[in-house]
Amino acid sequence: GEDVEQSLFLSVREGDSSVINCTYTDSSSTYLYWYKQEPGAGLQLLTYIFSNMDMKQDQRLTVLLNKKDKHLSLRIADTQTGDSAIYFCAEDNFNKFYFGSGTKLNVKP
Amino acid sequence: GAVVSQHPSWVICKSGTSVKIECRSLDFQATTMFWYRQFPKQSLMLMATSNEGSKATYEQGVEKDKFLINHASLTLSTLTVTSAHPEDSSFYICSARPGARGDTQYFGPGTRLTVL
Repeated sequence: GEDVEQSLFLSVREGDSSVINCTYTDSSSTYLYWYKQEPGAGLQLLTYIFSNMDMKQDQRLTVLLNKKDKHLSLRIADTQTGDSAIYFCAEDNFNKFYFGSGTKLNVKP
Repeated sequence: GAVVSQHPSWVICKSGTSVKIECRSLDFQATTMFWYRQFPKQSLMLMATSNEGSKATYEQGVEKDKFLINHASLTLSTLTVTSAHPEDSSFYICSARPGARGDTQYFGPGTRLTVL
């Protein structure tokens, strides 16, 4: 599969902003996604961005895409303890999803 | 909308037995369904892609005789782990795609398989 990389851990305080980063290798990816996985659960789609966009905002979530550098980020504003989970980025490459390793977000009260 | 269910949510079986996992799209028709496997603290790995009425396409390294996939209808796909062994213990997640490329995948809640 394609290489999609994420940092493994991020720890923030409640109320701060969290920024989770992701790099990918395939420039032909059409869509890039962010998913959230809570312990023992499946994946919840948070947001996605089309590859011809630079930014997408959805309430507390902001996705930034730098296609030149193949860099994707997810910013969570006003992070809450309920945001603690593993966040996966994924790229859509010819009808196949390739996932990053996941970033475990820990939110301290 | 766009709900995908899996059954069972967890299963424990003896080594050598076969286990069937169902994946259903509850409120949409799924042109394509995908099966993933996730080991503890690791990412999801795509196992196979199935389209209704045709044979599944398996990723490299996935044994098609071991992991039998049947996509019988536009709302149901099944994964059968045949002659299961302890190393098959994992979290299996399915996803379903409503239509043409460009639609996202909607994920099921996953099935935890433990083989004793």
